[in-house]
This record gives sequence, C-alpha cells and structure tokens, in this order.
Amino acid sequence: DGGITQSPKYLFRKEGQNVTLSCEQNLNHDAMYWYRQDPGQGLRLIYYSQIVNDFQKGDIAEGYSVSREKKESFPLTVTSAQKNPTAFYLCASSIDLNRPIYEQYFGPGTRLTVT
Amino acid sequence: RKEVEQDPGPFNVPEGATVAFNCTYSNSASQSFFWYRQDCRKEPKLLMSVYSSGNEDGRFTAQLNRASQYISLLIRDSKLSDSATYLCVVNTGRRALTFGSGTRLQVQP
Repeated sequence: DGGITQSPKYLFRKEGQNVTLSCEQNLNHDAMYWYRQDPGQGLRLIYYSQIVNDFQKGDIAEGYSVSREKKESFPLTVTSAQKNPTAFYLCASSIDLNRPIYEQYFGPGTRLTVT
Repeated sequence: RKEVEQDPGPFNVPEGATVAFNCTYSNSASQSFFWYRQDCRKEPKLLMSVYSSGNEDGRFTAQLNRASQYISLLIRDSKLSDSATYLCVVNTGRRALTFGSGTRLQVQP
C-alpha cells in the first residue's frame, strides 16, 4: 500500500530537549511538507521541500530544522529554541510542486507534548 | 486580512438537511482550490478539488467564484458521518497550499 507514515504517533519530551519526528512516503512524490496544527486552528507551514537536498522555510520555521537526503524521507527536528513546541505535527507530500494544480496527501500525524 | 478565511461554525444541522459553507481568499492569482475534511484528532483528507466550472461528487458540490474570490461547498442530505471539520485550501501563489482554519459541522440525529 502506498502512503505516508509518521512515527511515533505520540511523543513526550522534557523542555530543552531536541526531538526528531519521522516522515516517510512511498508514493514517489517529489514534494514534501511539514505543518503544525494547534487546537481549534488551521495548519501552518513549517518547511517544505521540492527535491532532494533542497528545502524552503514556511511561515513558522523558527525553532525547527529539516533535512531531505532521500526522496522518501523528510524528518523534522523540533529544537529547544522553539518556544511552544506542543502541537500536532503533520507531514504531507504531493506529486510535483511545479504542477499548477496538485493536491497534498497527509500522514497520520505526531502529537508532541513538551513539559 | 487572512489569506484564506472561513466561518469556524459550528454548524449544527439535522440529518437530511442541506448545508453550505463559504470560504474567501485574498490572492486573485490563486490557481488551485480544494476542500479537505478533517475528523477529530486525525489528519486532513482530500474531499474534492474545486474547478472553475464547478464540480459535483455525489451529495457534495463545490463552486468557485473568481470574481468575488470565494469557493463554496454544498452538502445535501447530510449524514451523521458528515460530522467533521471542513478545510478550505488554496494555492496562494507560492509553492505550497494555504489552509483555512476550518468550518466545523455537526450533524444531529
């Protein structure tokens, strides 16, 4: 089955620790994205990547870092510099950023709680 | 002004009712429009794309009005299973989609 996997589903960390969220896709999609969702709010773009070894900041990149060493994988690191890291993190992918019309497909998400 | 704006609701409707949501967007150069559905504590899932000519999928109809910069979603014969948050999604010109905050629908028996 093709799809996007994120792990773990729930993650608990102490304040001051960096944490890396996993995102893997086997859809052969070029573009991948990370969003954050807070309760009762919409999705906010953290980072996105069009191709391997290239990524761009989204609207709320401060305190986050990413890498794209493989087409299938786009891990997100939440650093200790992120002021309010507790949130629902969603990874998505789409066929090609250069197409004018494209839909995104989402993984099941990771709920991060930092105390 | 937000790039994509939606009425947060909630819209509480009885089973069988027809309900409509609107969404406005600010960038007149936007080319791609979608409605996504998000169930509580789950990931968003694509419900339907919105084309200039409008499109229909069963009980769901989506319309685009470029002149007024809004898109709409009409749900006919509401089912209990339609209860969810509906996200309006627009390509606002950069290489990523912009999501509205969502409209919550609660269908009641």
